[in-house]
Amino acid sequence: DTEVTQTPKHLVMGMTNKKSLKCEQHMGHRAMYWYKQKAKKPPELMFVYSYEKLSINESVPSRFSPECPNSSLLNLHLHALQPEDSALYLCASSPFSGSTDTQYFGPGTRLTVL
Amino acid sequence: RKEVEQDPGPFNVPEGATVAFNCTYSNSASQSFFWYRQDCRKEPKLLMSVYSSGNEDGRFTAQLNRASQYISLLIRDSKLSDSATYLCVVNSNQGGKLIFGQGTELSVKP
Repeated sequence: DTEVTQTPKHLVMGMTNKKSLKCEQHMGHRAMYWYKQKAKKPPELMFVYSYEKLSINESVPSRFSPECPNSSLLNLHLHALQPEDSALYLCASSPFSGSTDTQYFGPGTRLTVL
Repeated sequence: RKEVEQDPGPFNVPEGATVAFNCTYSNSASQSFFWYRQDCRKEPKLLMSVYSSGNEDGRFTAQLNRASQYISLLIRDSKLSDSATYLCVVNSNQGGKLIFGQGTELSVKP
């Protein structure tokens, strides 16, 4: 079973709101990822967690705050977002964060910032 | 030069056609390569990993040429359900970071 789940499916928020995106996997994977995808563009990496530690932050603005409470869960806390942050936010996981590991993506959260 | 470059799309083909997608990558140290498929407003789904020896899965054949840093995907006997965007993806060897091509859109028509 290569399932990664994400909630919510859709989210609409104002620029002053605080919200969180959630991601879960039960495949025993030790690496988890957040990506942002705009329409007609490929996914862009935001963060990588390896063994529950943040290992890569692709210079993401501090209004995005990731958290990895345990090996199965990954959150993305959102605060004071801008309309240009509207996008599909994808979570992925892989067995490890190695050079040959395959990543499996969740269905994404479609975020609209008003 | 982009790290991963793909054929520009869209490709519009009739059902039953054979279609080939090409991709080049710039980092000669890359060790793993993938084709992902993404349907409109859905997540990318792994279609195939790509190996030096070439690999086939039903109507899909992937090839890797390390010397030329070139990856290909061949789809035979296209189905309407093959309509999607195909993403060429290379592992960067940097802590699991994947490098995505821009994607090639395929539209299979009746």
